[in-house]
Formats: sequence, C-alpha cells, structure tokens
Amino acid sequence: GESVGLHLPTLSVQEGDNSIINCAYSNSASDYFIWYKQESGKGPQFIIDIRSNMDKRQGQRVTVLLNKTVKHLSLQIAATQPGDSAVYFCAENLNARGSYIPTFGRGTSLIVHP
Amino acid sequence: NAGVTQTPKFQVLKTGQSMTLQCAQDMNHNSMYWYRQDPGMGLRLIYYSASEGTTDKGEVPNGYNVSRLNKREFSLRLESAAPSQTSVYFCASSGGQLSYEQYFGPGTRLTVT
Repeated sequence: GESVGLHLPTLSVQEGDNSIINCAYSNSASDYFIWYKQESGKGPQFIIDIRSNMDKRQGQRVTVLLNKTVKHLSLQIAATQPGDSAVYFCAENLNARGSYIPTFGRGTSLIVHP
Repeated sequence: NAGVTQTPKFQVLKTGQSMTLQCAQDMNHNSMYWYRQDPGMGLRLIYYSASEGTTDKGEVPNGYNVSRLNKREFSLRLESAAPSQTSVYFCASSGGQLSYEQYFGPGTRLTVT
C-alpha cells in the first residue's frame, strides 16, 4: 500500500481564494517532504520543500506546513489563479545509499474557476 | 539546457513485443529514476540508479529491466509487454543543489494491446 495519501482527491476553488491541499505520510524517518505540481500532459515540477526539522516554510504565494505529531503535510496557495489548476503531489523522501527515494501520494486535482 | 528528455513520446505495442524507453539528462546529475503513472494514481518507482554503474529495484520492478549506460542516460526495457504495462512512464534525475529535488521528463505514453 501507499505510505503517502491525500485526503481530498479534487478541490475546486474560485480565482482569488486561498487553497489548502492536505497530505498524510506514514514514515517518521523521512528526511524531506516535497510538493510537486503536474500540469496536464507534463511531468511533475518542484514547488516547495520542507525539511523534517522544520514546521513551516514559505515561498512565493505558497506555504507548506508540517505536523510531525500527526504525520500531516499541507500546501497553502494564496490568491489562487487559473494557472494554478493542476494535480498536486506530496512526496516524502528517504535517503537510501546516497540517493533520495521519494514516495508519492495519489495527488489532488486543483480546479480554479475564473 | 534541455533538462530531462525522453523518447518516444507515444508508443503502441502488441502483447509480447519488446521495446526500450530512452532517457537522458544534461544536468550532470548522479541519480536517475523511472516511474510509471496510472490514471488517478501517484507515481510509482520502477527502478532507480543512485550513481553511474548502480541500479536498484523500486516498488514495481517486475516486467522491466534498466541500464545506466553512462552518467547521462538511463534506459527502461520491457522484454515482453503486457496490457498491465499500459501507463505513462516518467524519467527523472536528481543531484543538483537540492539533492532530493527531482527533475522530470515529459513522459512516454505507452499502450499495450
């Protein structure tokens, strides 16, 4: 089974709203957590990462929160735009033999209505 | 920089046929990966190569083989394709400033009939 999962497979929001995408993970030994964005017909693209010793990290219009107590990760997108419409994946990363091996969740489809 | 490139973009195979998916990266990354993505699913790791000369199995290696030809290239081979291998295949590499950040190719859409 998958060790990383998402609570909401589809999220619909209005342009300008804030979006929150959630993710649960199971491996407390994971070193890094990453959010990826995948647009239709393309490969996933890195958005933001957070190390396991942090609980919050902010980027441009995005914030990732990490709650290690309940093994929960969230991605907040401020002032969501139509260009944010995509599938978002969280991934937990373990270091194995010098290479980071990610485990991906199923993904949440974010639909932004103009 | 082209980043990660994959060929072909699309492929249709008959059951039992073989083929090799090609992947190359020009970022001088040490690690490379092959994933498959099925509808409504996340990416599942097939094989990875932590460095040139090494390969390891991922979550779903059965029915596949890989070759790390050199630092740039990592190929995935289906010896005898099955309909269950119909999927979109992504190659990725990592080893930049954020060693855990993966850069993905555009994918190969494979249909096995």
